[in-house]
Amino acid sequence: GEDVEQSLFLSVREGDSSVINCTYTDSSSTYLYWYKQEPGAGLQLLTYIFSNMDMKQDQRLTVLLNKKDKHLSLRIADTQTGDSAIYFCAETNDYKLSFGAGTTVTVRA
Amino acid sequence: DSGVTQTPKHLITATGQRVTLRCSPRSGDLSVYWYQQSLDQGLQFLIQYYNGEERAKGNILERFSAQQFPDLHSELNLSSLELGDSALYFCASSVGGTGGIWVGEQFFGPGTRLTVL
Repeated sequence: GEDVEQSLFLSVREGDSSVINCTYTDSSSTYLYWYKQEPGAGLQLLTYIFSNMDMKQDQRLTVLLNKKDKHLSLRIADTQTGDSAIYFCAETNDYKLSFGAGTTVTVRA
Repeated sequence: DSGVTQTPKHLITATGQRVTLRCSPRSGDLSVYWYQQSLDQGLQFLIQYYNGEERAKGNILERFSAQQFPDLHSELNLSSLELGDSALYFCASSVGGTGGIWVGEQFFGPGTRLTVL
């Protein structure tokens, strides 16, 4: 939606790090999410971060949040072919949930 | 497998018709959410129910309605269908959500693909 923007495509070499960026407009957002959608499948929650946090790390995933700039990023370390998917950024302020258009990540050998 | 089931998997119908999509949440989850994913609009939140009551409303058209039954399964009714209603409709469930959209994890079903001809 218009409230959440992200780049549409990212191509990365296997083994490299991927960084997917997202910007949002709602300053009252409480939580921000990253979801993964593989072809023909539903959405899978990867991680989420509370708005008063700057960073969250979970194995190969690192989420950075710059609340002042309303910028969220997802870094995937050591990107694998299984990471090829569409990644959605989303934000909620408890009564509204908005998704970005999704970033298609293609991992090349 | 998320534990959320949706039926049918595919649905093909004509403009002007009415369809019902069904969702069974994960065992123990009280909240059900409906989403629409289309090429035009992207992924949009439609509506949330918690333990039978509507809790939050998103971009749901007046031609669409939903309900959650005592056994916690939910149905999304789409009427007077238009070509633009063709989309993938997802259901998700979560444990919480009494105060609104659950800020924790939502588990998504595989979706129902609706094609309106």
